[in-house]
Amino acid sequence: DTEVTQTPKHLVMGMTNKKSLKCEQHMGHRAMYWYKQKAKKPPELMFVYSYEKLSINESVPSRFSPECPNSSLLNLHLHALQPEDSALYLCASSRRGSSGSYEQFFGPGTRLTVL
Amino acid sequence: AQKITQTQPGMFVQEKEAVTLDCTYDTSDPSYGLFWYKQPSSGEMIFLIYQGSYDQQNATEGRYSLNFQKARKSANLVISASQLGDSAMYFCAMSLPSARQLTFGSGTQLTVLP
Repeated sequence: DTEVTQTPKHLVMGMTNKKSLKCEQHMGHRAMYWYKQKAKKPPELMFVYSYEKLSINESVPSRFSPECPNSSLLNLHLHALQPEDSALYLCASSRRGSSGSYEQFFGPGTRLTVL
Repeated sequence: AQKITQTQPGMFVQEKEAVTLDCTYDTSDPSYGLFWYKQPSSGEMIFLIYQGSYDQQNATEGRYSLNFQKARKSANLVISASQLGDSAMYFCAMSLPSARQLTFGSGTQLTVLP
């Protein structure tokens, strides 16, 4: 089973709202990721959690706040977002492949619109 | 630093024909992994195929095969017998053992014509 699930599929929020995106995997992967993707562009890495600890934060504004409650769950808390934050938010988890590199598996994404 | 280059922003192919999507990469690390992902308009990033730098044979998964030419640093995706459902954006990506993140190419938009 190589499934990563994300909820909600779509989210519309105002600039003063607080919302959360959720991600779950049951593949036993110990690394989980948040990406932001604009239309027709590759995904941009936001955060990496390794063994439930934040290991990479790609200079993301503080209005995005990640949380990893356990090895299967990853949340992204959103507060005071701007219209330019509207994008597809993808979650992923990874395992080691041959050659020692990390194979990443993605969820279906959450389409976020900020009004 | 590692880099992935996809030089074809858009490609068209007739249904039932084969198509090759180009990908070149650059890294000084001898250990790396190369990936192809398919992203339909629904947005989901679907893992297609993986090639490790030490793998002796080219990876294959059903209608997908990866033409791995290490000396030329290329990892082209070959889709045989194209189907209308293959119309999507295709991303080539690379990861290193030393880093958990993926480096993506700019993508190729494939359109399969009936």
